[in-house]
Amino acid sequence: TQLLEQSPQFLSIQEGENLTVYCNSSSVFSSLQWYRQEPGEGPVLLVTVVTGGEVKKLKRLTFQFGDARKDSSLHITAAQPGDTGLYLCAGEGGSNYKLTFGKGTLLTVNP
Amino acid sequence: EAGVAQSPRYKIIEKRQSVAFWCNPISGHATLYWYQQILGQGPKLLIQFQNNGVVDDSQLPKDRFSAERLKGVDSTLKIQPAKLEDSAVYLCASSRMRLAGTDTQYFGPGTRLTVL
Repeated sequence: TQLLEQSPQFLSIQEGENLTVYCNSSSVFSSLQWYRQEPGEGPVLLVTVVTGGEVKKLKRLTFQFGDARKDSSLHITAAQPGDTGLYLCAGEGGSNYKLTFGKGTLLTVNP
Repeated sequence: EAGVAQSPRYKIIEKRQSVAFWCNPISGHATLYWYQQILGQGPKLLIQFQNNGVVDDSQLPKDRFSAERLKGVDSTLKIQPAKLEDSAVYLCASSRMRLAGTDTQYFGPGTRLTVL
């Protein structure tokens, strides 16, 4: 069974601060996806990283896939209250490209 | 383009009762997924359909859960009988194709089930 560990589980910061959340596994994934989920809604895909060592930027968000394709990080610069939400990483693998989700990091950005 | 629709949004039942959830995927999406998200955890795949055929149901508790996707469009997920531990949000997602490579899954808002 492929498991993804996310850390920290909870994060509460002030507007303007920087933060990094981590997604780690002992398994290799063909790709890794990051989602944001807001209360009462389904997860929304932010980015997919495929190549080991890949870095993708989405405005103030920077995503990195580890060289061995087992781990990933999400860095947010100058966080804003609108960034508040549950950040989920999901590894894709297996013959059916099944997604295995981590437990998520619940981020609160206070004004 | 309309998103994935789910109903009902909320359901409260007593244990041992039955419940059904409905999902209408994005038009033209061949693949449909049902996930269970327990509070404090990430979504867990219950079943994956490709058109109206089952691709993966390895984590579906088949003694009490069933799902169907008639005509390869809408889908229903049923729990009979429900247990307390079934309390969760049930998410439906769809994607264009799931045969090769990465493919974006679009999630519905979910149905929050409370079993008393």
